[in-house]
Amino acid sequence: AQKITQTQPGMFVQEKEAVTLDCTYDTSDPSYGLFWYKQPSSGEMIFLIYQGSYDQQNATEGRYSLNFQKARKSANLVISASQLGDSAMYFCAMREAWILTGGGNKLTFGTGTQLKVEL
Amino acid sequence: SAVISQKPSRDICQRGTSLTIQCQVDSQVTMMFWYRQQPGQSLTLIATANQGSEATYESGFVIDKFPISRPNLTFSTLTVSNMSPEDSSIYLCSVDSLDGGYTFGSGTRLTVV
Repeated sequence: AQKITQTQPGMFVQEKEAVTLDCTYDTSDPSYGLFWYKQPSSGEMIFLIYQGSYDQQNATEGRYSLNFQKARKSANLVISASQLGDSAMYFCAMREAWILTGGGNKLTFGTGTQLKVEL
Repeated sequence: SAVISQKPSRDICQRGTSLTIQCQVDSQVTMMFWYRQQPGQSLTLIATANQGSEATYESGFVIDKFPISRPNLTFSTLTVSNMSPEDSSIYLCSVDSLDGGYTFGSGTRLTVV
């Protein structure tokens, strides 16, 4: 089974509108972390936001917020007031605990969502 | 958070040759991670490199094809050996920044012809 599922291969949003990028995850580890990264066409990976499994509140970082629904195992990224510079590939990733992975701290990535912001 | 310098940024190589990719971190880190991103695909972990021990390889990746060195806590290399066109990918190194996120190098775009 996929550990991280991103069901939207591509998304379009109008400039200044909000957009939600979906991510669901699968783990039996009670301690895990969820990450979102942005990858522009240059190929670099830009860290956006992090949510720990024990965090009580949804994470926010500027225009980025994470809609964390633990019971549903979803961690959707919300980008408010989209800008043209937000056009990029977005990856959801999960880190499980050392004991279950055997390797410690490695990230498992979803397949990504290509976001295009339009005028 | 940590800053990673990754070199080269891109290369075009002949099949059958090898390429060594370097990552230099501006602070000491315990683990470094090496990822491959094939065209249009997600990132796949190749191996985890700890200083002073053999790297731990993920299923589908072997040391003979992707030897890794980790001579100290700020530096690591990944070699792509006996390359074929299927090795054409972006290769990225990463470290745990300990501030919640992972920092990535800028990536190496490899094209094998």
